[in-house]
Amino acid sequence: EVQLVQSGAEVKKPGESLKISCKGSGYSFTSYWIGWVRQMPGKGLEWMGIIYPGDSDTRYSPSFQGQVTISADKSISTAYLQWSSLKASDTAMYYCARYSGYDLDYWGQGTLVTVSS
Amino acid sequence: DIQMTQSPSAMSASVGDRVTITCRASQGISNYLAWFQQKPGKVPKRLIYASSSLQSGVPSRFSGSGSGTEFTLTISSLQPEDFATYYCLQHNSYLLFTFGQGTKLEIK
Repeated sequence: EVQLVQSGAEVKKPGESLKISCKGSGYSFTSYWIGWVRQMPGKGLEWMGIIYPGDSDTRYSPSFQGQVTISADKSISTAYLQWSSLKASDTAMYYCARYSGYDLDYWGQGTLVTVSS
Repeated sequence: DIQMTQSPSAMSASVGDRVTITCRASQGISNYLAWFQQKPGKVPKRLIYASSSLQSGVPSRFSGSGSGTEFTLTISSLQPEDFATYYCLQHNSYLLFTFGQGTKLEIK
């Protein structure tokens, strides 16, 4: 069974760094792209970027380029989304999802990030 | 970048109604178009992929159509559990994805 399991909710202060994770299982992790999606409170879904764990090829949405870093450690089947300096506006639910070749077929359960002083 | 215009942004309908939601792309995207349903506090659920293929386990009252720049999601007979927000999703050959703005479907 394909599963993407994300790390737990985080509460951080502005200016702090953060790295959240997404662990894949039940399939060949290095053979599928993993994407990240943001959903701010009460808002729609926003595409952030995608990584191919096999060779770490990474593509970012222009809206998120330079704002976050997407990485992966194929040895432990885990993808990451990280911030070097969080802002209050980063408060959101973040989802990882697997790219099927057509679209996003399996999703993680989401990680809620709250940034507040 | 390809822009996706989803309409309507919100609508109200009754159980048993036929509902159509549309996504228009700013340029041709072949059939790389999917539809998702999201209920409050839940993970988005894929309904349709490759424009018209029904995800396994999704009721047949859901259908998708279109190609090129115009795509539709149709619910043939609304059920109480269908009241949710719906999103389209497309991507280009460089794997830059774009979601539609969402359609909130409410009970009339």
